[in-house]
Amino acid sequence: DQQVKQNSPSLSVQEGRISILNCDYTNSMFDYFLWYKKYPAEGPTFLISISSIKDKNEDGRFTVFLNKSAKHLSLHIVPSQPGDSAVYFCAARAGSARQLTFGSGTQLTVLP
Amino acid sequence: EPEVTQTPSHQVTQMGQEVILRCVPISNHLYFYWYRQILGQKVEFLVSFYNNEISEKSEIFDDQFSVERPDGSNFTLKIRSTKLEDSAMYFCASSEGLTRQETQYFGPGTRLLVL
Repeated sequence: DQQVKQNSPSLSVQEGRISILNCDYTNSMFDYFLWYKKYPAEGPTFLISISSIKDKNEDGRFTVFLNKSAKHLSLHIVPSQPGDSAVYFCAARAGSARQLTFGSGTQLTVLP
Repeated sequence: EPEVTQTPSHQVTQMGQEVILRCVPISNHLYFYWYRQILGQKVEFLVSFYNNEISEKSEIFDDQFSVERPDGSNFTLKIRSTKLEDSAMYFCASSEGLTRQETQYFGPGTRLLVL
């Protein structure tokens, strides 16, 4: 089951630069998307979300973009900081269901 | 800041034994969830719980699993007869339950190892 895909298992970025993490989905019923960050030995921490009625949502250094026609979303982090180094998960939910479907995650490393 | 807590952080058990994983959701939240992540795999949904009954469950959540809210604060996941393939990180989550599009907040997880 590959309804939510994160095709890049890892990404390295220099401190201060922009990090762009990508996520694709196949289920056209998904209407709410979330990004979580996860450090080793901790649970996923919510970062930012977006509803399918929007194409952009911004919160401080984090911006999520949604392209419904392409079934693609991306998380932009600018400027990137070493403390942002973690695994980032894209998750989606559909209609009245509350279960989240997760991608496989992208390990972001921000180099000082 | 309110957070979801889980106990124990680690649990080692023998195959065939029963285990109970415990969670304390955020106090004013009404929806509770269990997810698991097998090493190297995706985070997978197991079950959601609302108003003292299961709201949704996945194919993974078969008869060997059960959930309960034994009192006003705890939410538990019981695995009746553990199998080797139950070894995973189990995450509890909770959400307010006011809207469909709301954030689920996760606990730190319980690492279960079945030998």
